[in-house]
Amino acid sequence: AQKVTQAQTEISVVEKEDVTLDCVYETRDTTYYLFWYKQPPSGELVFLIRRNSFDEQNEISGRYSWNFQKSTSSFNFTITASQVVDSAVYFCALSEDGYGGSQGNLIFGKGTKLSVKP
Amino acid sequence: NAGVTQTPKFQVLKTGQSMTLQCAQDMNHEYMSWYRQDPGMGLRLIHYSVGAGITDQGEVPNGYNVSRSTTEDFPLRLLSAAPSQTSVYFCASSRKGNQPQHFGDGTRLSIL
Repeated sequence: AQKVTQAQTEISVVEKEDVTLDCVYETRDTTYYLFWYKQPPSGELVFLIRRNSFDEQNEISGRYSWNFQKSTSSFNFTITASQVVDSAVYFCALSEDGYGGSQGNLIFGKGTKLSVKP
Repeated sequence: NAGVTQTPKFQVLKTGQSMTLQCAQDMNHEYMSWYRQDPGMGLRLIHYSVGAGITDQGEVPNGYNVSRSTTEDFPLRLLSAAPSQTSVYFCASSRKGNQPQHFGDGTRLSIL
């Protein structure tokens, strides 16, 4: 069965520290997609990245980077030189290449609450 | 572009009442979905639709109905509200399945 595990419930860091948010997934599909979303205190959900199962290249976007490793079923997210504005709940999610239109259905982890203190 | 618009933003109901949460998108997206978010639970899929006239159940569909008569609108109906349905509800849409989803701002619903 499909599952996403974010073992870190809460993380607290001081500004300018680097922080890595862990995500481990389970799926039997060979084609699947992984996502990260950010939920700031205001409550909206903001899309950060999508990765498909055939693309294991790491991605860097400014202070954000993602490490996708199929061998360990992990899709970890690193924030370099964290800032107070990074404080949010971060969700990792999985969608499978399902049938009958279910391809878009997201399976979310329970989220990691990141607090960045000045 | 308004994106995904949810109304209302807040609602309080009494047990047994019915209501409809509205969701509209102006991006001509085929795929739309409803999630509920409960503390410590992440988001869970209630219902989804891959196009007008086509809907299906997600992980937690009991107590909810949906319909999709147009591409733009995807309302979620609570048939007989129960305290267990107290939650924050998010509507989302994407061009097609597996594309990044755009989320509405959410509806915070309390059932007394």
